[in-house]
Amino acid sequence: AQKITQTQPGMFVQEKEAVTLDCTYDTSDQSYGLFWYKQPSSGEMIFLIYQGSYDEQNATEGRYSLNFQKARKSANLVISASQLGDSAMYFCAMREGTWDTNAGKSTFGDGTTLTVKP
Amino acid sequence: DVKVTQSSRYLVKRTGEKVFLECVQDMDHENMFWYRQDPGLGLRLIYFSYDVKMKEKGDIPEGYSVSREKKERFSLILESASTNQTSMYLCASSPLWGTKNIQYFGAGTRLSVL
Repeated sequence: AQKITQTQPGMFVQEKEAVTLDCTYDTSDQSYGLFWYKQPSSGEMIFLIYQGSYDEQNATEGRYSLNFQKARKSANLVISASQLGDSAMYFCAMREGTWDTNAGKSTFGDGTTLTVKP
Repeated sequence: DVKVTQSSRYLVKRTGEKVFLECVQDMDHENMFWYRQDPGLGLRLIYFSYDVKMKEKGDIPEGYSVSREKKERFSLILESASTNQTSMYLCASSPLWGTKNIQYFGAGTRLSVL
């Protein structure tokens, strides 16, 4: 079974509006981390935001926020006030475990391509 | 500033050639990773390393090998390149311990095998 599911292959949003990119995950670990990365057409993966499984509050980084619903195993990315430069592919990823040599490994979803319209 | 450098952005090789993809990080990270990215398939882990001379197979190691002789450098080797290895290759590094283990990526290498 896929551990990270991004059900939206492509999304469109009008400039200055908010958009939510969906991510659901599957794990039996109690300790895990969830990440979102942005990949512009240039190819480099850029880290956006992190949510730990024990974090009680939703993570926020500027215009990015992570809507973390632990019981539903979802970690949706919300981008407020979209800009043309937000057009890119967005990946959700999960790290399971914390203190072993496999702790650095992450599983990535297939990605969502976001297009911001002027 | 965090830096992961991949030696080539674009590479064109012929079938059967031995190909080396190099990755260097300057953050003193223990973990280093090689991924392959293909349309519709997301990122798939080829190999990772958590220490010098240590390596672990990822999800798709067949046809690849790796080398980590120094902490800052992680090389991906295609012993005999084939056309189905045409892809985007991404290198990443992260600290070994800690709760976040954020991975920092290089700019990627687009490899074409003809």
